[in-house]
Amino acid sequence: QKEVEQNSGPLSVPEGAIASLNCTYSDRGSQSFFWYRQYSGKSPELIMSIYSNGDKEDGRFTAQLNKASQYVSLLIRDSQPSDSATYLCAVGGYTGGFKTIFGAGTRLFVKA
Amino acid sequence: GAVVSQHPSRVICKSGTSVKIECRSLDFQATTMFWYRQFPKQSLMLMATSNEGSKATYEQGVEKDKFLINHASLTLSTLTVTSAHPEDSSFYICSAPGLADNEQFFGPGTRLTVL
Repeated sequence: QKEVEQNSGPLSVPEGAIASLNCTYSDRGSQSFFWYRQYSGKSPELIMSIYSNGDKEDGRFTAQLNKASQYVSLLIRDSQPSDSATYLCAVGGYTGGFKTIFGAGTRLFVKA
Repeated sequence: GAVVSQHPSRVICKSGTSVKIECRSLDFQATTMFWYRQFPKQSLMLMATSNEGSKATYEQGVEKDKFLINHASLTLSTLTVTSAHPEDSSFYICSAPGLADNEQFFGPGTRLTVL
């Protein structure tokens, strides 16, 4: 059973701080890694994708991937109250067709 | 990014009735669409992969006779929940694949409440 694990939180950080979200996955053959943001009652919105080891930066967001440790993280710099949401880690691979497995998500609260 | 729409956004129905949910790709063609279900505070669970012009592929444990999927055209996939029961109440979300491996664009979701 392929799994994606996340701490459910809630993770609470003050406005302007760095929020660090972590995710581990079980399938070593995974090839693609995503972070989605989901506001309450809404569908997920893609914010970052990463495919190779190392860091990938996009604005205030940095995704980090370590395939040897089967670990992917998301850093949010200068956190804003509008960043308060559930962040879903998703891991994709090819097993008889492209499949994406989602973690249960980490709830983030950014306090003003 | 690509735009995927869903209709209706919210539906309340009586137990035993059937409900149809539409998923459309608005500015691109999608030969494949994915249907997910999400219960409160849980992750997205893939129910099935819809394939234009052929049968859908269902995930283990998903009843194909209860959740009917039709991918009638390159821009439309439908999910029909037949003989709905209260335990089918959930958030149903469709998605279409993007150009990059495993990238997906999600529709806004449909909140189904079965009384």
